[in-house]
Amino acid sequence: ETGVTQTPRHLVMGMTNKKSLKCEQHLGHNAMYWYKQSAKKPLELMFVYNFKEQTENNSVPSRFSPECPNSSHLFLHLHTLQPEDSALYLCASSQHEGLAGGTQYFGPGTRLTVL
Amino acid sequence: AQKVTQAQTEISVVEKEDVTLDCVYETRDTTYYLFWYKQPPSGELVFLIRRNSFDEQNEISGRYSWNFQKSTSSFNFTITASQVVDSAVYFCALSGVSQGGSEKLVFGKGTKLTVNP
Repeated sequence: ETGVTQTPRHLVMGMTNKKSLKCEQHLGHNAMYWYKQSAKKPLELMFVYNFKEQTENNSVPSRFSPECPNSSHLFLHLHTLQPEDSALYLCASSQHEGLAGGTQYFGPGTRLTVL
Repeated sequence: AQKVTQAQTEISVVEKEDVTLDCVYETRDTTYYLFWYKQPPSGELVFLIRRNSFDEQNEISGRYSWNFQKSTSSFNFTITASQVVDSAVYFCALSGVSQGGSEKLVFGKGTKLTVNP
C-alpha cells in the first residue's frame, strides 16, 4: 500500500455541486495537511491537523471545509466553488507537527476543475 | 518571514549532461530545515532530501548531490549524468512558522527540468 493515497484523482464539478476529496495515509503519522497548487503559483498550505485537531487554517474561504475523523484520514468538503478554485489539491502527512515533526510525505493529488 | 527563491524557471538539457538546480533561502530562524521534492507529471511530490541547519555536510545519493552553503543561504541540487526520467518540476522548500504558529513548508516556485534523449 502506497504511503499517502488520494481519491478521486480527477474531479470536474459545477459551481453548485457538493463534493468531497479524500486522503488516507498508511505511514502511522499524526499530522495531515491540505495544500493547493495553482498554475504559476507556489504551493499554498490550506489546513493542518495534528492528532485530529485542526491547528492551522490559512485564511481559507468557508466553501472549503476540512474534516479529520482520525489520524489516518483527512477529507476536504467542497461546496459552491468558483472557477478560480480549479487547481491540484495535495494531501500530505508527517510524524507530527512542529520543527522536529519530520518530513512531509505527499499524495498524488486531486486535479479539480470547477466549471 | 521565510522565503525560497528558485531563479531558474525552466532548464532543458540533453541526456547524460550534469545539471544544477539553484535554491536560495531567507530566514531569521537559527534552527530550520531545507527540503527538495520532485514532482513528475503524475503530480505527486516525491521527497528527495531533508537537511537541518546545523548540518552543512554535502550529501550524495547515487546521481543526486546537494550542496548546502549557509554563508550564501543556498541549497543547490545537482543531477549527474541526467536521464529522461529525471524530467520533472523540482521544488526547494524551507520549514518556517506560519502566522497561526504552526510549522509549515515554504516552497519555491519550482524549476521545470526537461531532459531530452
